[in-house]
Amino acid sequence: ILNVEQSPQSLHVQEGDSTNFTCSFPSSNFYALHWYRWETAKSPEALFVMTLNGDEKKKGRISATLNTKEGYSYLYIKGSQPEDSATYLCAFSLTGGGNKLTFGTGTQLKVEL
Amino acid sequence: GAVVSQHPSRVICKSGTSVKIECRSLDFQATTMFWYRQFPKQSLMLMATSNEGSKATYEQGVEKDKFLINHASLTLSTLTVTSAHPEDSSFYICSARDAIGRDPQYFGPGTRLTVT
Repeated sequence: ILNVEQSPQSLHVQEGDSTNFTCSFPSSNFYALHWYRWETAKSPEALFVMTLNGDEKKKGRISATLNTKEGYSYLYIKGSQPEDSATYLCAFSLTGGGNKLTFGTGTQLKVEL
Repeated sequence: GAVVSQHPSRVICKSGTSVKIECRSLDFQATTMFWYRQFPKQSLMLMATSNEGSKATYEQGVEKDKFLINHASLTLSTLTVTSAHPEDSSFYICSARDAIGRDPQYFGPGTRLTVT
């Protein structure tokens, strides 16, 4: 069984704080790592798809890094805003895996005023 | 762009009845759609991969006769939960990749099924 571990499970920060979460995944036969943001009652929104070791991607105040050799990715949010409150999911796919995604349980972020 | 809808968003049905959930790609063609299920405090678990015009591929442990999947067009896949039981109560969510098969997967908003 291939597991994805996300930490922390939940996080409360103040508006303006910067924060980061971790996603750990098996490094063997790695193909891609996906990050999604999931707000309550909405569809999960794709943030990043990362494939290369050392990859760094940025979208506004959110950025992510990838280490495929050791099997982890970090998601960073700079200057958190209340609208960043959501569950952040990571998922990975394997080479030859038919693009099937294995998800973690997510990090639930609450940004307070 | 890349919007996926699901219908219904919530459904309550009696034990023994069947429920159909629709997943539509609204502004792109999706050769491949995926169906996931999520139990409380657990991760999204892939149930099956649905390819347009062919039979779905089910993950280990998912009963194909219970969860019927039809992907009859490039914009619509349906999941029918047959003879539903209370243990089928869950959150069902679909995703779609575009016709070229590029990442990412685009998700619908999900369907909350409650079987009484």
